[in-house]
Amino acid sequence: GQQLNQSPQSMFIQEGEDVSMNCTSSSIFNTWLWYKQDPGEGPVLLIALYKAGELTSNGRLTAQFGITRKDSFLNISASIPSDVGIYFCAGLAGANSKLTFGKGITLSVRP
Amino acid sequence: KAGVTQTPRYLIKTRGQQVTLSCSPISGHRSVSWYQQTPGQGLQFLFEYFSETQRNKGNFPGRFSGRQFSNSRSEMNVSTLELGDSALYLCASSFGAAYGYTFGSGTRLTVV
Repeated sequence: GQQLNQSPQSMFIQEGEDVSMNCTSSSIFNTWLWYKQDPGEGPVLLIALYKAGELTSNGRLTAQFGITRKDSFLNISASIPSDVGIYFCAGLAGANSKLTFGKGITLSVRP
Repeated sequence: KAGVTQTPRYLIKTRGQQVTLSCSPISGHRSVSWYQQTPGQGLQFLFEYFSETQRNKGNFPGRFSGRQFSNSRSEMNVSTLELGDSALYLCASSFGAAYGYTFGSGTRLTVV
């Protein structure tokens, strides 16, 4: 079945640093989504990407839809303590297909 | 506007019992999906309903079932609970795939 690969499982960075996460798949996806989850809450949509090569920003976050449609990356610039959480990538193969999630990356930010 | 509402937030059940969880989507959203989240397995897709019909189904045993009502509210039911069913159950609603999915805060189910 479709799988999205995110690694490493955890990342530790210093406040103020930039961090990049990527997500890869052996299958093609037509939509890529990046979510962040805080403890005890549901995931919150950060950025949605709909076209191969698309680069989209949301404040300090930037995400790109890979040209091959098999990968995406998320970049967080100038990290702050509230960036702590679990970051998930998710992909949709088609309009009526299920949303497939990666296993997530837990980000820790040292003050 | 109101977000996705899941009730209850927390639930403790005994092995062998059954449980029903509820999800009220954002007004106007006709698609409701359910996910099981555990530390080891991440977010596992259970099923998706669209206009009262199951549109997609994940790889879970038949003990897991769901339904959607005409007002788009959805319920999921787990029968004969097992200890391994302890998890955070998340519901997400969408107006359409192109618009992304909005998640509720989840129901934390503990089976003892």
